[in-house]
Amino acid sequence: VQLVESGGGLVQPGRSLRLSCAASGFTFSSYDIHWVRQAPGKGLEWVALISYDGTNRYYADSVKGRFTISRDNAKNSLYLQMSSLRAEDTAVYCCARRGSSYDMDVWGQGTTVTVSS
Amino acid sequence: QTVVTQEPSFSVSPGGTVTLTCGLTSGSVSTNYYPSWYQQTPGQAPRTLIYSTNTRSSGVPDRFSGSILGNKAALTITGAQADDESDYHCVLYMGSGIWVFGGGTKLTVL
Repeated sequence: VQLVESGGGLVQPGRSLRLSCAASGFTFSSYDIHWVRQAPGKGLEWVALISYDGTNRYYADSVKGRFTISRDNAKNSLYLQMSSLRAEDTAVYCCARRGSSYDMDVWGQGTTVTVSS
Repeated sequence: QTVVTQEPSFSVSPGGTVTLTCGLTSGSVSTNYYPSWYQQTPGQAPRTLIYSTNTRSSGVPDRFSGSILGNKAALTITGAQADDESDYHCVLYMGSGIWVFGGGTKLTVL
């Protein structure tokens, strides 16, 4: 069971970036998946959740209207399209599988996004 | 806006017992928030310890336990060991598809 993120990098404020999360070892299409981020030296921050079939999407207020979570179950992949990026979006972004309850039971290692001019 | 609170830091002696808490700036934490707890060491992904208030994740030793204490969720570590020195994060389900993490607690074992 594994989640592997990619797509991070250095981006200028106001620009866009798309992150990916590749799943393996489980039936991806059966699970809701989260994006969670951690700014340098800070705690974890929940970013977004997408339901197993993609029909329901939820966002933290801090990213609502700027970020879009999506998935392609045929490719076992999750995405986070980030636009109008700000310095405060600088963080390690992890995808995490929603467990049997309201928890996160499998985590990826994360991909680093740095927003700076 | 309701904020989830955790102690910024805590210390415990080897073999000792420590209780970390997870509260709300407005209101009380109950089982309806499905509190869960995660352990994280620097540079590593979080590891799930406890979910649904008091259910241990697979492979987690029974010296880790979760509960509701007063108006907060609590994570108790009994018989603390050196490798328990980590950051501990709680998250609450706020309803309507929204989760909120606390700021995390840095636990020192010394």
